Amino acid sequence: QSVLTQPPSASGSPGQRVTISCSGSSSNIGRNTVNWYQHLPGTAPKLLIYDNDQRPSGVPDRFSGSKSGTSASLAISGLQSEDEAEYYCAAWEDSLNGHVLFGGGTKLTVL
Amino acid sequence: QVQLQQSGPGLVKPSGTLSVTCTVSGGSISNYFWSWIRQPPGKGLEWIGYVYHSGRTSYSPSLKSRVTMSIETSRLQFSLKLTSVTAADTAVYYCARERDLNYMNGAFEIWGRGTMVTVSS
Repeated sequence: QSVLTQPPSASGSPGQRVTISCSGSSSNIGRNTVNWYQHLPGTAPKLLIYDNDQRPSGVPDRFSGSKSGTSASLAISGLQSEDEAEYYCAAWEDSLNGHVLFGGGTKLTVL
Repeated sequence: QVQLQQSGPGLVKPSGTLSVTCTVSGGSISNYFWSWIRQPPGKGLEWIGYVYHSGRTSYSPSLKSRVTMSIETSRLQFSLKLTSVTAADTAVYYCARERDLNYMNGAFEIWGRGTMVTVSS
């Protein structure tokens, strides 16, 4: 069971804005930055957001990230059919000598 | 641009050792953290551990008793070994590179294509 908690599913219609939450604790999100991944079946995950709110080159500005306290959120505006995918948050966990935690994933459905 | 090419057997017998290698092309292996991540069928992503170019390693607490990672900088390769495997270790195994030099925080910018490893007799 993941220590980073995400809703198992989310949905929205084309053009809408959706948000996906990621809840952690003081030893992970509370002290470290959050990263977000988009994962399509049969492909490698793609880094969507790093350091809470930074987009790698090539990622559309429809994707944005934020963090407050021990929680983080990914927002997708102007939803498109190709955004249908699994989304994961990830953060460094300081306990037990440190390790990376992934959230359980959120399946986004574009209606 | 940097690419990661994975290689390794797709089938491992129970109680055996899983081995996967990742070869770096188009860039340097130095000054980066190199991780292994897996995804069992129908489940989410799980970080297994990292190896730094110096050979320093860190493993997931849940797997550390069975995991060994190594790096050969001259061959631009790093490897994962997982011992005493069971069906629960059946997964797609990915190698990945951290985004920033000399920094580890789970921002994996470059990924291998994944190796499906099945544990079965």
